[in-house]
Amino acid sequence: DAKTTQPPSMDCAEGRAANLPCNHSTISGNEYVYWYRQIHSQGPQYIIHGLKNNETNEMASLIITEDRKSSTLILPHATLRDTAVYYCIVRISGNTPLVFGKGTRLSVIA
Amino acid sequence: DAGVIQSPRHEVTEMGQEVTLRCKPISGHNSLFWYRQTMMRGLELLIYFNNNVPIDDSGMPEDRFSAKMPNASFSTLKIQPSEPRDSAVYFCASSKNPGAGYEQYFGPGTRLTVT
Repeated sequence: DAKTTQPPSMDCAEGRAANLPCNHSTISGNEYVYWYRQIHSQGPQYIIHGLKNNETNEMASLIITEDRKSSTLILPHATLRDTAVYYCIVRISGNTPLVFGKGTRLSVIA
Repeated sequence: DAGVIQSPRHEVTEMGQEVTLRCKPISGHNSLFWYRQTMMRGLELLIYFNNNVPIDDSGMPEDRFSAKMPNASFSTLKIQPSEPRDSAVYFCASSKNPGAGYEQYFGPGTRLTVT
């Protein structure tokens, strides 16, 4: 079973920041937070991951609370192409399978 | 880099027929994962390999499903005999082990329809 809780859906205006929350209150000390997204009819795409520090890459930023029980994925300037289902996954770093929950369906609106 | 390659992209077959799905991982990746996605169950792991060796096949639904990885650049998932409930999108993913983040890269999937 997935160890995360995400809202089923969110809307965001094009050009605005999209902030996607994730709760992972039972996360263990050696577990990372990973984010993937799945654009319609495509395979899931890796976005970003982190352990306890905030992380940023060319796609997004990941903010993890100090107690590590929740996190937020930030897409700084959402575009229509960011419309997708976003999955927050807790996972021990290493070559382990991904356990997907239901994710958040983000709709970016023009 | 061509990414993970899967074939066929679409497969329509009749119940009872054998179906073979194929996957070519990213060159240099030594771990390979097969996932299945349905509306009812979402994305779930079927089996994964490290260095061509199956590590966990607990997600394989039943004996009708089998997977092989004869070499580092090729894997197959076979269903024999196929049933309508096997209709789903099957994804293959690969990763590098050890790797910086062990992120998995997914192929475009094979959409299987069993009538």
